[in-house]
Order: sequence, then structure tokens, then C-alpha cells
Amino acid sequence: QDQLVQSGAEVKKSGSSVRVSCKVSGDTLTFSSYGISWVRQAPGQGLEWMGRIVPVLGIIHYAQNFEGRVTISSDSGDNSATTVHLDLRSLRSKDTAVYYCARDEVRGQRGGYYAMDVWGQGTTVSVSS
Amino acid sequence: QSRLTQDASVSGSPGQSITISCTETSGDLGGFYHVSWYQQHPGKAPKLIIFDVSNRPSGVSPRFSASKSGNTASLTVSGLQAEDEAYYFCSSYMRGSNLWVFGGGTKLTVL
Repeated sequence: QDQLVQSGAEVKKSGSSVRVSCKVSGDTLTFSSYGISWVRQAPGQGLEWMGRIVPVLGIIHYAQNFEGRVTISSDSGDNSATTVHLDLRSLRSKDTAVYYCARDEVRGQRGGYYAMDVWGQGTTVSVSS
Repeated sequence: QSRLTQDASVSGSPGQSITISCTETSGDLGGFYHVSWYQQHPGKAPKLIIFDVSNRPSGVSPRFSASKSGNTASLTVSGLQAEDEAYYFCSSYMRGSNLWVFGGGTKLTVL
């Protein structure tokens, strides 16, 4: 079974940084490669893509709106899990949102697709002045 | 940069069908290929209901169908049920730009 389990809620001050983590386990790790995106949703707003990583290939791309302020990385632990991290710097009140990780690509022997088909439970980040 | 535009809201009565549109407005039709649709209920994570324009993941109701023509993708919900009331987002992976874009979302109200 595929699972993305995220770290817990964070309360931060303006100007500080936050790290949100996403543990990848299950069938996802059996694919030749897979991608993980970070998507955030401010209160009452839509979905905003922040960036993505393909851990096995070390490919990372960021949305233009976040270039220079965000870093996405991954740790390959033992064979049973990989953790993907989102670091966001220089926080401001507009960064208050629920942050989701989502599997956005799988590639295997039978082909693959681009779609966010597995989502983490979401992590609330609150930024106050 | 690519932009996807959706109507803010749509409504229908139980049993009726509705269609939600998603229009690519930047002209990057070469990237408007890997179109997917997501359903989101309040307080929940989005759920994939359509990928690669018109494919339904296993377990998604056949009442959800989708298509694309030119710069507009469409999601149709047939036989509306109360549980369909939610927000619906379109999205596309732009391979040439290596980025994802989302539409602004459409609120579906079941009257």
C-alpha cells in the first residue's frame, strides 16, 4: 500500500524558516522512479504548486514564485522508506497554509504517468508576526 | 507561463449532469497534455479522479468522465449525488517547462 506521511503542524514567526517532511513508503519504492511534488493551500484558496523532486534521479524543479526561498531534498533511509523535505525560508504571514506532498509521477516496466495520485495528510504551517 | 482558468462555481440538482471547464490561456498547448482532475472536500486532501485527460483511476466512480479539445479540458459529473458537492481542480504537468499548474478550482453545489 502506498503511503505518504507528513510531519506535524508548525507555528513560526515571520522571517524564520520551516521544514516539512514527507515519508514515502510502500509500493512507490518499487517503481524505477517516482516524483514527489509539494503543493500548498492557503485558507479558503486554491492549490499552489511549489516544486518537485525525483529522488532516484536527483532531479529537482521549483515554481518560479518560490525560487530562492525554497529547497526540496530527499533522504534515502533503509529500503523501506525515503523521506522528502521541504524547506521554506523568510516566512511571512502569506505562507500560512496547509502544505501537502503528493506522488506526481511513477515510471516502471509497464510505463508510467504524471498525476498526483497519492497525497500526504497535509501539514498546517501558521506564520505570525 | 501557463495558466489554467476554471469557472468559480457550478450547480446542479440530484440526478442531473454538469460539466466543468478548464482552459489553458497561455497558448502552451504542447504542454497541456497530462491533464488531471482532483476532487477536494472541505478539510480533506485532494483526491485524483481523472488523469491523462480522460483516464479514471481504479475505484473512481464511472459517473466522472473527462475530455479535451484544443485548449479546453472538461470534466463531466453524471447522475449528481449529494456527495459530489466539493471543489474540483484541474491540473497539468508541463513537460517542456518541468512544472505543474493548477486551475483556480470550481465549487460544485448539489441543489
